[in-house]
Formats: sequence, C-alpha cells, structure tokens
Amino acid sequence: SQTIHQWPATLVQPVGSPLSLECTVEGTSNPNLYWYRQAAGRGLQLLFYSVGIGQISSEVPQNLSASRPQDRQFILSSKKLLLSDSGFYLCAWRRLLGVTGELFFGEGSRLTVL
Amino acid sequence: TQLLEQSPQFLSIQEGENLTVYCNSSSVFSSLQWYRQEPGEGPVLLVTVVTGGEVKKLKRLTFQFGDARKDSSLHITAAQTGDTGLYLCAGARGGGATNKLIFGTGTLLAVQP
Repeated sequence: SQTIHQWPATLVQPVGSPLSLECTVEGTSNPNLYWYRQAAGRGLQLLFYSVGIGQISSEVPQNLSASRPQDRQFILSSKKLLLSDSGFYLCAWRRLLGVTGELFFGEGSRLTVL
Repeated sequence: TQLLEQSPQFLSIQEGENLTVYCNSSSVFSSLQWYRQEPGEGPVLLVTVVTGGEVKKLKRLTFQFGDARKDSSLHITAAQTGDTGLYLCAGARGGGATNKLIFGTGTLLAVQP
C-alpha cells in the first residue's frame, strides 16, 4: 500500500532563518506531487506541483522554492523565512485517472515564524 | 485569486438537523471532489463527481455537480457529531499530467450534541 510521510511535524523558526520540509512517498512510482499551504480553518493554497524528477511548477510568487531530487521525494525550502510564511504545510501525491484522481495527504507540518 | 468560493464559511448546528454547503466558481472544472479534514490532519476524499448534473449519495451525504460543471453542493441529512470537521471542495483543471486540484475556501462545520 502507498504511504506518504512529511517532516518535521512542527517547527518554530525565527524570521530570516532557512527552511526545509521533506516529503516522501512509498509504494508507488512516478506520482504527481504537491505542496499546499493552509491558514487555520480555511482552504488549501497550491504552492508547487511536480510531474517528475526535477520538474517543478510554481503557482504563486513567493519566498519559497521546491525541489524533487528523486522520484518519490519532494522538498519545500526557503533561504530566509518571513512572518507571512507561517502556516500548515501539506504534501500530497496523486495518481491521475483521466481527469480525476484522489489526493493523498501527509500528516502536515505546522510552521510558526517568530 | 480564489477560484472556488464556499458558503457558508462557518456552520454550527444541532445533531439531527439538515444542512447544505455550496461551492461556487465562474470557471469550468473537468471534475470536482469533496474532502473532509479533521484538526491537525490532511484532508480525506469523500467523493468525486465528473459529469454535469451528476448526483452521488454516500449514506447521509448527497453531492451534486452543477449542470455547467462550475458549482457543486453537499447536503447532509440528520447531522451527527461525527460529521464535525472542515469540508473542502476541490476542482480539477488542466489536461494530462498537469491536471491539478484547486481547493475552495472551506466550510467549518460544528455539530452540537
């Protein structure tokens, strides 16, 4: 069966510090991978998605970047965090079935920038 | 720009009541999904609708996709405390491998005993 893990689960970082959130998928190959950010009690904002190794599409201009060094590894990074980067970050994978396909989410990473 | 607007944003009801959540857009989607999310966890898929006008039932939950594939609704009959959570609609856009899901603004439902 497929599983997805992301870490760390929680982190508190000062403004201006770097960030690295990692996500790995097991049990599937060549998945579409996604990073979403969620404000409390609100919808998910798509940040990045990847259809293959080294292929990254950015949805919104921001202080963050993403990389996919291996087929089942997706990394979210920042060189210098801003207060506005605080939020709940969710990694997800998806196997497309035509125009559908369920998103499977990781456990989430809660980032607080002080 | 938020493509999918959900209403209401918050809803607090008593157990046994009925409710409807709406998901509206000016854009056409190739498919639409509804997810439910509990605090501190990722969303979990409830249903996928693909055809305009399609209606799907999942026990006490009824989902409908608009005829023009721009909107959807979720109706819950006789709500239970276990229905409490954040409900999210998500529309699929783009073709082929670049197909991606755009999430709605969310509806936070609290069912009181």
